[in-house]
Amino acid sequence: KNEVEQSPQNLTAQEGEFITINCSYSVGISALHWLQQHPGGGIVSLFMLSSGKKKHGRLIATINIQEKHSSLHITASHPRDSAVYICAAREGGSNYKLTFGKGTLLTVNP
Amino acid sequence: KAGVTQTPRYLIKTRGQQVTLSCSPISGHRSVSWYQQTPGQGLQFLFEYFSETQRNKGNFPGRFSGRQFSNSRSEMNVSTLELGDSALYLCASSLATGQQETQYFGPGTRLLVL
Repeated sequence: KNEVEQSPQNLTAQEGEFITINCSYSVGISALHWLQQHPGGGIVSLFMLSSGKKKHGRLIATINIQEKHSSLHITASHPRDSAVYICAAREGGSNYKLTFGKGTLLTVNP
Repeated sequence: KAGVTQTPRYLIKTRGQQVTLSCSPISGHRSVSWYQQTPGQGLQFLFEYFSETQRNKGNFPGRFSGRQFSNSRSEMNVSTLELGDSALYLCASSLATGQQETQYFGPGTRLLVL
C-alpha cells in the first residue's frame, strides 16, 4: 500500500515569497500529480510528472524517482495562490488508482 | 468544450437511505474515476470506469457501487447510508487509462447524511 506524505500541512507566506511544498511516497509509482483545490471544492490538475521537472508560469514541479520525492514550488507568490495543494501518486502497471496526500493549506497574505 | 458536470451539487439524506450521484465527463473522454473527500481522511479513490467496465476499485465497502453508460456518463450509488458517508464526492474524467493522462475534475456533489 502506497503511503503519501505531504509537508508542511499549513503554510503562511507574504506576497512575493518563494514557496516550496514537499511530497514523499513509499512505493514505486508511474506518475505523480499535483492538484490545487480552492475553497468551495473545485480541483484543478496542475502537473502530472514521472521524471524531471515541469514549469507552468510561476509554478514548478520536480520529482526524484530514486528518492521517491516531489516538490511543488511557487515563485513570486500572490494572494490568489491561496488554496490547498494536494499531491497524488499513481500506481504502476494497469492500475489507475491514485493515492492522495492530506494536502497543504497555503495562505498568501498581501 | 464543456467541463465535467456532476449532479446534484448538494444532497441531504437520512441514515439508511440510498443515493445516486451522476457524472458527465468531458466530451470524448472515456475514463471516469470517483473520489470521496472528507475532512478526516482527505481524498480517497473509490473506483474507475472505462468503456462501461470497472477497471480499478478502492478500499470501500460493497455499499458503494457504480456504473458507466455507453455515452461514458457514470453514476455512483451508495446504499444504506451511514453518517460517515457525509462527504464531497468528486468525479474526474480523462481520455483513456494511459499512464500519462491528465484528469479533469468536476465540481463535486456535497452529500450530508443526517
